[in-house]
Amino acid sequence: DGGITQSPKYLFRKEGQNVTLSCEQNLNHDAMYWYRQDPGQGLRLIYYSQIVNDFQKGDIAEGYSVSREKKESFPLTVTSAQKNPTAFYLCASSPRTSGSPDTQYFGPGTRLTVL
Amino acid sequence: QKEVEQNSGPLSVPEGAIASLNCTYSDRVSQSFFWYRQYSGKSPELIMSIYSNGDKEDGRFTAQLNKASQYVSLLIRDSQPSDSATYLCAVNTGFQKLVFGTGTRLLVSP
Repeated sequence: DGGITQSPKYLFRKEGQNVTLSCEQNLNHDAMYWYRQDPGQGLRLIYYSQIVNDFQKGDIAEGYSVSREKKESFPLTVTSAQKNPTAFYLCASSPRTSGSPDTQYFGPGTRLTVL
Repeated sequence: QKEVEQNSGPLSVPEGAIASLNCTYSDRVSQSFFWYRQYSGKSPELIMSIYSNGDKEDGRFTAQLNKASQYVSLLIRDSQPSDSATYLCAVNTGFQKLVFGTGTRLLVSP
């Protein structure tokens, strides 16, 4: 089955810890994105990557880091510098170079809670 | 001014009625527009995309785009209780980035 997977589904973080959220896609999509969603709010872009080994900051990148070493994978690290990390984290991908290039498809999400 | 605006709702309609969801956007150069449905606790799923002025129909869903008025809407015909969800409007503002509205919550009562 083609799709986007995110793990874990639920994640609990203690104060001062770094945690890494996994995002993998087998859709052969070029672009990948990380969003954060807080209750009652829209999606806010954290980081995005259009090609391997390249990524750009989104609107709320502070306290987060990413890597794009493989086309299929775009992990997000939530560092201790992120003061309010409790949120629903969504990974998305888009073809960029074929079909509907800017259509984004979402993974199931990771719900992060700070204890 | 927010780039993409939606009424948060809830929009309540009876089963079988037409639900009309609206979205306005501020960037005149936007070329691509999307509607996503998001059930509580789940991730957004794509319903429709629209790129040209006019209507685009897919089953019970119709997207309408008016670039001159910077307005995009989603009509859901024969609304079902299973359509109860939050509907997110998204606009491509360039550079492969989407800007999302905060969503409209739709409630379809049996």
